[in-house]
Amino acid sequence: KNEVEQSPQNLTAQEGEFITINCSYSVGISALHWLQQHPGGGIVSLFMLSSGKKKHGRLIATINIQEKHSSLHITASHPRDSAVYICAVRGWGFGNEKLTFGTGTRLTIIP
Amino acid sequence: DTGVSQDPRHKITKRGQNVTFRCDPISEHNRLYWYRQTLGQGPEFLTYFQNEAQLEKSRLLSDRFSAERPKGSFSTLEIQRTEQGDSAMYLCASSLAGLNTEAFFGQGTRLTVV
Repeated sequence: KNEVEQSPQNLTAQEGEFITINCSYSVGISALHWLQQHPGGGIVSLFMLSSGKKKHGRLIATINIQEKHSSLHITASHPRDSAVYICAVRGWGFGNEKLTFGTGTRLTIIP
Repeated sequence: DTGVSQDPRHKITKRGQNVTFRCDPISEHNRLYWYRQTLGQGPEFLTYFQNEAQLEKSRLLSDRFSAERPKGSFSTLEIQRTEQGDSAMYLCASSLAGLNTEAFFGQGTRLTVV
């Protein structure tokens, strides 16, 4: 079992729809990251969370530490949101600085 | 500062050749990470540096792989005697040291071994 699991693996939606991507993890973490990767490879950090909820524009990220679960929501989705969204976690303490990644959710927004 | 830059962006090499990739982190960042991403998968950790010290290496980093960060600034990742299984995107990221600091990623180097 992977330490970080994402669902769904692929998601296709119509422009304007509300999107939810889920991430579950099995280890204790100090922070969870949501990342966006466009074709060509570059990764952009969207959020870093250790508790609660963060909002940036049309993007909202939440985390429930007790349930080891996080969600990324996109409101009023747009074709330019089409990308792979990756959840990554960082452990606690020295020796746990690296990120452990999920396999990503490929999102396609159809105009 | 233009962020984390990686060079080259693409590399095609014949099996058995050696390749070297470079990563220039954000200038004030003392941590630098290398990750590898194969098609359809999330990135996997290879190694990381704090300043010039290599603090952790993954068991994925076989003895054909070596990474350096000689002056605590840019880093190089060398793969000797490349194999087709080495074909992947090699990603570099940098951050400040400390708990819960944000990591910034480069565009990656896509390696194809033919």
